[in-house]
Amino acid sequence: AQTVTQSQPEMSVQEAETVTLSCTYDTSESNYYLFWYKQPPSRQMILVIRQEAYKQQNATENRFSVNFQKAAKSFSLKISDSQLGDTAMYFCAFRGMEYGNKLVFGAGTILRVKS
Amino acid sequence: GAVVSQHPSRVICKSGTSVKIECRSLDFQATTMFWYRQFPKQSLMLMATSNEGSKATYEQGVEKDKFLINHASLTLSTLTVTSAHPEDSSFYICSATKSANTLRNYEQYFGPGTRLTVT
Repeated sequence: AQTVTQSQPEMSVQEAETVTLSCTYDTSESNYYLFWYKQPPSRQMILVIRQEAYKQQNATENRFSVNFQKAAKSFSLKISDSQLGDTAMYFCAFRGMEYGNKLVFGAGTILRVKS
Repeated sequence: GAVVSQHPSRVICKSGTSVKIECRSLDFQATTMFWYRQFPKQSLMLMATSNEGSKATYEQGVEKDKFLINHASLTLSTLTVTSAHPEDSSFYICSATKSANTLRNYEQYFGPGTRLTVT
């Protein structure tokens, strides 16, 4: 069974600084997808970044980048130049065929960006 | 980008009544839709998966007779909470994807959610 673990319930960062959110997962599959979603106070789920397991290169999207360590089953999110609008709950998610191609979410990390 | 809408965004109902929540994919055909439930400051809990034209598949522990899901067309799925009770009060989120039958990266597009309050 797949599990996704986010060990940081809450984090805070000063505006313009860098923060890293942690995520580990457990799977027996070799091919799967990993995601980071952002849920701001509006509660609309927003896809931040995705990583395909068979791609060794870490995904990047502007200020957001991941550190994907397949052997260690680790998938951390780095937010550079943090902005007040980054304040949100962040969910790490896994998607693979073993679980019917459904998203499996971690517990989430509340990130607060302070001015 | 793909847009998914939910209606209503907020609903208050009395205990014992039923309430229906609609989820629509506005600019694409969604063969598969998912329904999630979320409590404050918690993660999304998958309730069921619905495929157009077939019965929904419910996750373990979800009462299928209480949470009726219908996916009658490629753009509409509905969740009906029957005989609602205060403990059913929650935030319900739907998502839609073109297909969940392969591992190809069909993104799930999320609706804005519906806040249900049962008094």
